[in-house]
Amino acid sequence: DIQMTQSPSLSASVGDRLTITCRTSQSVSNDLHWYQQKPGEAPKLLIYGSSNLQGGVPSRFSGSGFGTDFTLTINSLQPEDFATYYCQQTYTSGTFGPGTRVHFK
Amino acid sequence: QVELVQSGAEVRKPGASVKLSCKASGYSLTSFALNWVRQAPGLGLEWMGSINTGNHNTKFSQRFKGRVTLSIDTSANTAYMAVSGLRSDDTAIYYCARPITSYTEDALDIWGQGTAVTVSS
Repeated sequence: DIQMTQSPSLSASVGDRLTITCRTSQSVSNDLHWYQQKPGEAPKLLIYGSSNLQGGVPSRFSGSGFGTDFTLTINSLQPEDFATYYCQQTYTSGTFGPGTRVHFK
Repeated sequence: QVELVQSGAEVRKPGASVKLSCKASGYSLTSFALNWVRQAPGLGLEWMGSINTGNHNTKFSQRFKGRVTLSIDTSANTAYMAVSGLRSDDTAIYYCARPITSYTEDALDIWGQGTAVTVSS
């Protein structure tokens, strides 16, 4: 099985530029996607195929990476961006990363 | 409006089974695969499995093989997931979700609202 790693949490302030990383134990090509989840809600797709912005998602979100190392960047963090972020690979089945909680500094 | 509507909360005793439903609205269920994801209280997302709604082929995470069954009823435009041999650590919110493309596993852009399953004696 492909293993996924993410930093467990990050502290930030409104207006910060934030980078969240995701690493896979073997190459997943660009079959890596990012989700945002807030308490009590279903996950929301932000980025698919490593770098493609899902429709309706603000342009301050961007993704990059290929193979085993990926990043989600949030430019100018907004109050509504404090949430948990998950990466998911679909190169082989559909493993999720453990999540990164973004909280107020 | 495209949406997935899931069945209501369930409570079961250890060792029992549960069958959850996920009704597609605004599109034909057979046009896209369906994935199932769960989230235990306070924990992260866990991919459970997927079903190709065209040929009914299924794929599962290793830890759910043999204990989870996925099916669809095309006449009802509804997918089902049955879990047997429930344990307390199966207590979770269970989500159905639709991939963004015709691939069986891909980014999941349409999610159901989730079904809470509680396993307790």
